[in-house]
Amino acid sequence: NAGVTQTPKFQVLKTGQSMTLQCAQDMNHEYMSWYRQDPGMGLRLIHYSVGAGITDQGEVPNGYNVSRSTTEDFPLRLLSAAPSQTSVYFCATKTPTSYEQYFGPGTRLTVT
Amino acid sequence: DQQVKQNSPSLSVQEGRISILNCDYTNSMFDYFLWYKKYPAEGPTFLISISSIKDKNEDGRFTVFLNKSAKHLSLHIVPSQPGDSAVYFCAALYSGGGADGLTFGKGTHLIIQP
Repeated sequence: NAGVTQTPKFQVLKTGQSMTLQCAQDMNHEYMSWYRQDPGMGLRLIHYSVGAGITDQGEVPNGYNVSRSTTEDFPLRLLSAAPSQTSVYFCATKTPTSYEQYFGPGTRLTVT
Repeated sequence: DQQVKQNSPSLSVQEGRISILNCDYTNSMFDYFLWYKKYPAEGPTFLISISSIKDKNEDGRFTVFLNKSAKHLSLHIVPSQPGDSAVYFCAALYSGGGADGLTFGKGTHLIIQP
């Protein structure tokens, strides 16, 4: 089992460009989420999904879109990248009966 | 407004001794607490958790203590080993909130000295 995988590992964007960060899990978990981590900060919740077709906003959703068409995948879209979105992005998943979230390895995004 | 605070950015401990990492929270609605360990260029990995109905939870070398009245929890690692060198994040959630999103502290960088 690969667990939670994220692609790409690194990405550099110019301001205004768009891109999609990919997240996939093979744990068959309904719940998936996206966090960002900025230097010297803890992780902050961007969006989450409790199952296919259901998404909701977290603490810092502005500038990001998500969709959930399958249980396995939960992509995060930046429609018009801004330097403030320079961060490390982590995808996570969990079972319905526990609170422990399992994190992917992260995508380091730089917006210039 | 930081709801989960880890006031020590770094902590240096000798190998074999006890490491104590502290965490304070301000939101009295939080009822579940977790500790994560993070190595550079990797995602956080779950270490240990505690529900607010308990005041202690133990798993091998790791013990978490919760003092609800003081809104304080701590992670004890005994004995500390070189592989424990990492950033440790305290996280909390309100189980009745629906989002199940974790609120993280800023982390403490634990350095185990040989």
